[in-house]
Amino acid sequence: EDQVTQSPEALRLQEGESSSLNCSYTVSGLRGLFWYRQDPGKGPEFLFTLYSAGEEKEKERLKATLTKKESFLHITAPKPEDSATYLCAVQASNFNKFYFGSGTKLNVKP
Amino acid sequence: EAGVAQSPRYKIIEKRQSVAFWCNPISGHATLYWYQQILGQGPKLLIQFQNNGVVDDSQLPKDRFSAERLKGVDSTLKIQPAKLEDSAVYLCASSPIVGRVQTQYFGPGTRLLVL
Repeated sequence: EDQVTQSPEALRLQEGESSSLNCSYTVSGLRGLFWYRQDPGKGPEFLFTLYSAGEEKEKERLKATLTKKESFLHITAPKPEDSATYLCAVQASNFNKFYFGSGTKLNVKP
Repeated sequence: EAGVAQSPRYKIIEKRQSVAFWCNPISGHATLYWYQQILGQGPKLLIQFQNNGVVDDSQLPKDRFSAERLKGVDSTLKIQPAKLEDSAVYLCASSPIVGRVQTQYFGPGTRLLVL
C-alpha cells in the first residue's frame, strides 16, 4: 500500500537548536517528493521538490535530502519564525497519484 | 504572478444543506486539484483535473460531492447534502505540466464548518 509517514508528529526546539524531520514513504515508483510549509489558517507553501536518491536542496536554514526510502528536512539554527507544520508529499509513478503525510508541527521557542 | 485564488474563505452551514467552493488556478497551469484537509491531518486528494478532463477522482465521495472545471480554467467543488464529517479545509492547488513531475501550488483554502 502506498503511504507517507512523517515523524515526529510534533517537535519543540529552542532557537538555534538544529534538528531534522523525517518523511518515510512506500510507493510503487517515485516521480517526485515535495516539502511544504503550512502556517495556521493558510494553504501549504511550496519549499522543495526532490527527484532522485542522493539529491539535496537548500533554502536559508532548511536543507532537504532524499534516499530511496525516506527524506529528511534539516533545520539549522532555527528561529521562532520557522515555527509551522511541515508537510511531505510524494507523487507516485502509478497513475501519478499524490500522497501527503500528516505533517510535523514545529515550535521554535526564543 | 498571482497565486491560486479560492472563495469563500469561510463557510458555516447546517447538515443536509448544500455548499459550493470556487477556485481560480495560476494562469497557464493545466492541472488542478481539490484536497480535503481535516484538522491535524495531511491533505487528502479528492479530484484531479488536467485541462477539462478528470484524471483521478477515486477518493471523491460521489454520492454527495461533485466537481467541474469548465473551459479548463476555474473549478467548482460542491457538496450536497453536507454531513458533519465534511467539516474541514478544502484546498485547491494547481500545477504546470513540466516533464512528469508536477509541483503543486496551493490556495489559502476554504474552511467549512457543518453544524
